[in-house]
Amino acid sequence: KAGVTQTPRYLIKTRGQQVTLSCSPISGHRSVSWYQQTPGQGLQFLFEYFSETQRNKGNFPGRFSGRQFSNSRSEMNVSTLELGDSALYLCASSLSRTGHSTDTQYFGPGTRLTVL
Amino acid sequence: AQTVTQSQPEMSVQEAETVTLSCTYDTSESDYYLFWYKQPPSRQMILVIRQEAYKQQNATENRFSVNFQKAAKSFSLKISDSQLGDAAMYFCAYRSASGNEKLTFGTGTRLTIIP
Repeated sequence: KAGVTQTPRYLIKTRGQQVTLSCSPISGHRSVSWYQQTPGQGLQFLFEYFSETQRNKGNFPGRFSGRQFSNSRSEMNVSTLELGDSALYLCASSLSRTGHSTDTQYFGPGTRLTVL
Repeated sequence: AQTVTQSQPEMSVQEAETVTLSCTYDTSESDYYLFWYKQPPSRQMILVIRQEAYKQQNATENRFSVNFQKAAKSFSLKISDSQLGDAAMYFCAYRSASGNEKLTFGTGTRLTIIP
């Protein structure tokens, strides 16, 4: 089975631009979560999507948004980029079956975003 | 809100020796899950081991085992017979049993294996 894939792997943008990152979960997985990883703040939860609905959201400004498609693929968008948005963005997918709370989350390799 | 604390930014161990990484957490919930994730220099985060809070028995996965002390809110990871491939950042993480997948991570411990 293919793992979680994220595209692109590397991205360079300038302040004020917007960016869209993509995550393809493992086949059959219905939950996709996004995390931001920076040296200063560590790993921070952005949001989780399950069956095309946002199920949980972290403490990020409204410039960060996401969505999930019917095939469970997910995108996250960051508008009006700031220097502080430079980070590794990780997505993770899980079966998230009802009654199976310990379904493992599998992480993708991440997208390295640099904002100049 | 839940918090996870890893007080050891860096640790090192001789190859074949045993090392213990510390993690404490704070929560008002009684049902939750705890995880140790490994992030090698390649950046792919990998699950090492997980523990359900309602289980008293400590989880074990081959050379990896945990010491889960629920009352003390402590969750340490022991790596036995350390190997060069164990070198990585190790993150402790908490997840509520409330039904969503949000993980709260600690700041990580960088483990170096000395040949």
